[in-house]
Amino acid sequence: GESVGLHLPTLSVQEGDNSIINCAYSNSASDYFIWYKQESGKGPQFIIDIRSNMDKRQGQRVTVLLNKTVKHLSLQIAATQPGDSAVYFCAERNAGGTSYGKLTFGQGTILTVHP
Amino acid sequence: DGGITQSPKYLFRKEGQNVTLSCEQNLNHDAMYWYRQDPGQGLRLIYYSQIVNDFQKGDIAEGYSVSREKKESFPLTVTSAQKNPTAFYLCASRRDSITPVGNQPQHFGDGTRLSIL
Repeated sequence: GESVGLHLPTLSVQEGDNSIINCAYSNSASDYFIWYKQESGKGPQFIIDIRSNMDKRQGQRVTVLLNKTVKHLSLQIAATQPGDSAVYFCAERNAGGTSYGKLTFGQGTILTVHP
Repeated sequence: DGGITQSPKYLFRKEGQNVTLSCEQNLNHDAMYWYRQDPGQGLRLIYYSQIVNDFQKGDIAEGYSVSREKKESFPLTVTSAQKNPTAFYLCASRRDSITPVGNQPQHFGDGTRLSIL
């Protein structure tokens, strides 16, 4: 999951295992959620998104689950590969007011995949 | 290729100097954003622009300025008033700033790393 401060949560897995990265979001009124992957020295890359009227969405090798009751988001990566090693961020979108479209980012989780 | 181009990749600033970071997109996106990323932390919003000739302060706008004279360009100036400018700066864009529905994630450039000499 996410945490405060400079110590990012870490997840280490073996190649071929499934990975689950968790995120607790803050605003019960957020209506849209995104997962990003960031490799060292690069910008975040869009992975998958989900709207608040859904609780599950699948992509290629990835699944996002949304539990609005406990304000929890997770990213599941199937058959994790060494190329999946990166920092993963969740982001939630402000649903109203003049700040529409503004994203609030979590602090990230470091995923390390061992061959 | 369509995308977001940030330049330069590395930038050094002297004390008392203003520096400008470039962000150009050819995605025809309406909205553009500037974020700051510090080690081990998430992204914090500096400024954003939903349309040409309009922009709003984000959460940490002090010491920064922007302009949006063209749809494809959103330069960020780090002024001498920003006392802790060392960070990784990320520019993003989004297709439509108005429509509330649909899948419209922000897309990012590859960042500019700013350091103090």
